[in-house]
Amino acid sequence: AQSVTQLDSQVPVFEEAPVELRCNYSSSVSVYLFWYVQYPNQGLQLLLKYLSGSTLVKGINGFEAEFNKSQTSFHLRKPSVHISDTAEYFCAVRKTGGFKTIFGAGTRLFVKA
Amino acid sequence: KAGVTQTPRYLIKTRGQQVTLSCSPISGHRSVSWYQQTPGQGLQFLFEYFSETQRNKGNFPGRFSGRQFSNSRSEMNVSTLELGDSALYLCASSLGAANEKLFFGSGTQLSVL
Repeated sequence: AQSVTQLDSQVPVFEEAPVELRCNYSSSVSVYLFWYVQYPNQGLQLLLKYLSGSTLVKGINGFEAEFNKSQTSFHLRKPSVHISDTAEYFCAVRKTGGFKTIFGAGTRLFVKA
Repeated sequence: KAGVTQTPRYLIKTRGQQVTLSCSPISGHRSVSWYQQTPGQGLQFLFEYFSETQRNKGNFPGRFSGRQFSNSRSEMNVSTLELGDSALYLCASSLGAANEKLFFGSGTQLSVL
């Protein structure tokens, strides 16, 4: 079975500072990895996904994530955050050929002026 | 193209009652997944349907059930409601392949008194 651990429940950061949201997964088979974002009072939307190939994946709004198979991690980064990035971020995993997406508990990113 | 539509938006029920939630996927999407979202727990997978067949089920008691109709619309039913069932219930649709992203609805906020 797959599982996802998001290592930080809350991350406060000042505007224009860099940020990293950490995600580790556990799986005995090959997986696809996703980051979703939930803005206040909105539904979840995809930020980026890793399927195969280059381990550095770029997504919307300047976010990127790096897949590290040896460390079973898929950390999300942004070099300079904005107030509008304040949201909850979810890391998710699905085994290749599977139909069940497992989500982490979420990390609440709070960007301060 | 209309997004994923969930009805009703809010529900208030009392313990012991049952409830039915509805989800209309994006046109052409044949996969519908259901999740329970609670603060600090993230999204917990309930079940996934594809072309009227349940392909995967999460670790929820039998009080939670679902079905999918021939037009891909899906319903979720919870019988004998408990206080702990209070949560945001999210529906997500996709074309159905493992490497595709999920499109989420805004959810149904269920409060059990």
